[in-house]
Amino acid sequence: LAKTTQPISMDSYEGQEVNITCSHNNIATNDYITWYQQFPSQGPRFIIQGYKTKVTNEVASLFIPADRKSSTLSLPRVSLSDTAVYYCLVATGQGGKLIFGQGTELSVKP
Amino acid sequence: EAGVVQSPRYKIIEKKQPVAFWCNPISGHNTLYWYRQNLGQGPELLIRYENEEAVDDSQLPKDRFSAERLKGVDSTLKIQPAELGDSAVYLCASSGRGWVEDDEQFFGPGTRLTVL
Repeated sequence: LAKTTQPISMDSYEGQEVNITCSHNNIATNDYITWYQQFPSQGPRFIIQGYKTKVTNEVASLFIPADRKSSTLSLPRVSLSDTAVYYCLVATGQGGKLIFGQGTELSVKP
Repeated sequence: EAGVVQSPRYKIIEKKQPVAFWCNPISGHNTLYWYRQNLGQGPELLIRYENEEAVDDSQLPKDRFSAERLKGVDSTLKIQPAELGDSAVYLCASSGRGWVEDDEQFFGPGTRLTVL
């Protein structure tokens, strides 16, 4: 089963680009990598998902190297409202196990 | 479109008492998940349903936890009897394309359980 490892916390300032890296050394061939955002007293919310190379949407980019053993969530020009916990999720089709990482608590300061 | 609905939002009970949580997924979503989230940790899957069938309940503590999704729509998660260590947030999620690796999950706000 793929297990993910992320930094526990990160600090940033408004307007900066933030990169959060997730390690998933045992990722399987069919696994996808998904990132979720969670605010206090709310359930996680989908941000972005990818399988390989680079994926970009209106809120973030996801970079996945060729070996897929890690991934990096990139948040361009963060604002105070981006302060949240970010989870890296490897969707493991084998056995239906869904494994969230420990989460990275991002704090954006003015 | 309404999101995933959970009730109650908060529940405080004495240990050894029973408790139940209810979830109504997004209309048309066949897959329903129950997670438990301890303070400072990521969500941990308890059980996953495809329609009314529990296809993965390997992480559900079956001695005290039970779940049902009788008509393949809403679901109930029960704990009986509750223990102090059950204090956590219980999250329900649903997804619409069945179990595929890249299926986005939509989460409800969760039920915060406190066992005294």
